[in-house]
Amino acid sequence: DAKTTQPPSMDCAEGRAANLPCNHSTISGNEYVYWYRQIHSQGPQYIIHGLKNNETNEMASLIITEDRKSSTLILPHATLRDTAVYYCIVGYGGATNKLIFGTGTLLAVQP
Amino acid sequence: ETGVTQSPTHLIKTRGQQVTLRCSSQSGHNTVSWYQQALGQGPQFIFQYYREEENGRGNFPPRFSGLQFPNYSSELNVNALELDDSALYLCASSFPGGAIDTDTQYFGPGTRLTVL
Repeated sequence: DAKTTQPPSMDCAEGRAANLPCNHSTISGNEYVYWYRQIHSQGPQYIIHGLKNNETNEMASLIITEDRKSSTLILPHATLRDTAVYYCIVGYGGATNKLIFGTGTLLAVQP
Repeated sequence: ETGVTQSPTHLIKTRGQQVTLRCSSQSGHNTVSWYQQALGQGPQFIFQYYREEENGRGNFPPRFSGLQFPNYSSELNVNALELDDSALYLCASSFPGGAIDTDTQYFGPGTRLTVL
């Protein structure tokens, strides 16, 4: 079973920041938080991952709380092309990590 | 574009038949994972191949089997197809390069299997 809890859906206005929450209260000390997204009928796309510190890349920022029991993915300026299902996953990392997906959050970016 | 390709794109089979799905990993990647995604659900891990050996299996029956070739491409075989096997089948490739930052899995576009 997935170790994360996410809201089933969220809306965001185009050009505004999208903040997607994720709860992972049972995360262990050496588990990472990963975010993937899946645009309709395509394969999942890696976005970002982190262990303890906040992370930022060209796609998004990841904010992890100090107790690591929750995190937020931030898309700073959402566009219509960001409409997708976003999955928050916890795992031990490494290229042989078996990803355990939940049902994710459907983010709908509105014009 | 991730460099991971899958074939065929779509497939229709009837119950009881057998099917083979194929995946070509991104250049240099020696690990391939297979996932099944039913409609409206997140992908579910089937199994993983690392350097031609099975390296972990999810909760799927033995009629789901796989293979990885020396060039690291992979096949997923499903025998005795059931209606519930209708799903999007995804493969993902990765390369355990040692540094944690190289552990991203790159997914292909998937094969849509319909069992009638």
